[in-house]
Amino acid sequence: EVQLLESGGGLVHPGGSLRLSCAASGFRFDSHSMGWVRQAPGKGLEWVSVISGLADNTYYGNSVRGRFTISRDYSKNTVYLQMNSLRAEDTAVYYCTKDRSHNFLQSALDYWGQGTLVTVSS
Amino acid sequence: QSVLTQPPSVSGAPGQRVTISCTGTSSNIGADYDVQWYQQLPGTAPKLLIYDNYNRPSGVPDRFSASKSGTSASLAITGLQAEDEADYYCQSYDSSLGGSLFGGGTKLTV
Repeated sequence: EVQLLESGGGLVHPGGSLRLSCAASGFRFDSHSMGWVRQAPGKGLEWVSVISGLADNTYYGNSVRGRFTISRDYSKNTVYLQMNSLRAEDTAVYYCTKDRSHNFLQSALDYWGQGTLVTVSS
Repeated sequence: QSVLTQPPSVSGAPGQRVTISCTGTSSNIGADYDVQWYQQLPGTAPKLLIYDNYNRPSGVPDRFSASKSGTSASLAITGLQAEDEADYYCQSYDSSLGGSLFGGGTKLTV
């Protein structure tokens, strides 16, 4: 059974940093791109970042490029999202996602974690 | 405003059929990139409903179907049930953006 378990969310001041983690299990970790999608309170879904199965390709949404960094640890089957220079508009539930196919950036997201809330506020 | 445009809301009575549209442009749906659909029940994470334009993952009832034509795609739900009340999102790749994006979402009220 595929499971994605996020952690690391919380309250942070504007300009601060936070690292989200997503522990994956139930599938071959290096065979699938993994990513993060966020949802601000009462709003729609926004693509944040994706990393390919072998970590040779990454993608960042315009609103986070230059501030967020995605990475993955194959020994721990874990994906990370390092978030720096956080702003109030980064406040959202962050979902960890798994790509269904090998088509980087064009694949459906077939599994989602339960989400972790990040609140940026003074 | 999302490049993929969905109606903010649709509604239908139990047993009826509803459709949700997703209108794109020549750089996404019109460029023949695949469209996915997701269902988000209240207070839960989104769930994949349709992939690669019209395919249903295992466990998704055949009451849900989808199609694509030109620069638009649509999701159809037949035999509406109370538990279908949720937010629905389309998703596709956009070559101008260089990444994937979601539609703004449609709230279905049953």
